Amino acid sequence: SAVISQKPSRDICQRGTSLTIQCQVDSQVTMMFWYRQQPGQSLTLIATANQGSEATYESGFVIDKFPISRPNLTFSTLTVSNMSPEDSSIYLCSVEMGQLPGIQYFGAGTRLSVL
Amino acid sequence: AQSVAQPEDQVNVAEGNPLTVKCTYSVSGNPYLFWYVQYPNRGLQFLLKYITGDNLVKGSYGFEAEFNKSQTSFHLKKPSALVSDSALYFCAVRDHGDSNYQLIWGAGTKLIIKP
Repeated sequence: SAVISQKPSRDICQRGTSLTIQCQVDSQVTMMFWYRQQPGQSLTLIATANQGSEATYESGFVIDKFPISRPNLTFSTLTVSNMSPEDSSIYLCSVEMGQLPGIQYFGAGTRLSVL
Repeated sequence: AQSVAQPEDQVNVAEGNPLTVKCTYSVSGNPYLFWYVQYPNRGLQFLLKYITGDNLVKGSYGFEAEFNKSQTSFHLKKPSALVSDSALYFCAVRDHGDSNYQLIWGAGTKLIIKP
């Protein structure tokens, strides 16, 4: 299993600013994922971040808006840039571990509100 | 295209009664199937997965799920519900042949267990 620490747990931000969310894992993992979730709704994958390569973004998400860093096998950041109220959501990081198909382990999430 | 359907937004069950949360899927090949649970204000937790073999899969907290290939279903079940089972439940699928390692998530079903 994996323990994932995600920071901050919540934040209230002004329109036009940026927020960087950190995801720290207690073991080395290859695959990390960043999701967005509206409260009580399903998960939408933003991007897959593998160490040593550029993040792969899903349709509707672009690197300029959601830059991702993956400097090593235990850490990643997601930045939400030039925020607008539409970016208000819960952001989740997850890692996949174990024998294929692996299990995804999730951080507790970052609840973002943009005013 | 891969997809997952959870036809019920909400399921209400009396404590002590059996519960079923429904999930159907569509993949081009053979599926890997998962159930995750999200308790209020917490990240998602893995419950169980189906890879191959025995159609009845047992997981955490007394939950089990039955894979039915002909009906393309993977319903989550528990013989006797607890109030503490109240949460949001997600079904997810991945095609065996998918090299993206992405999970396709259902919309989620809110389970409410009444005392």
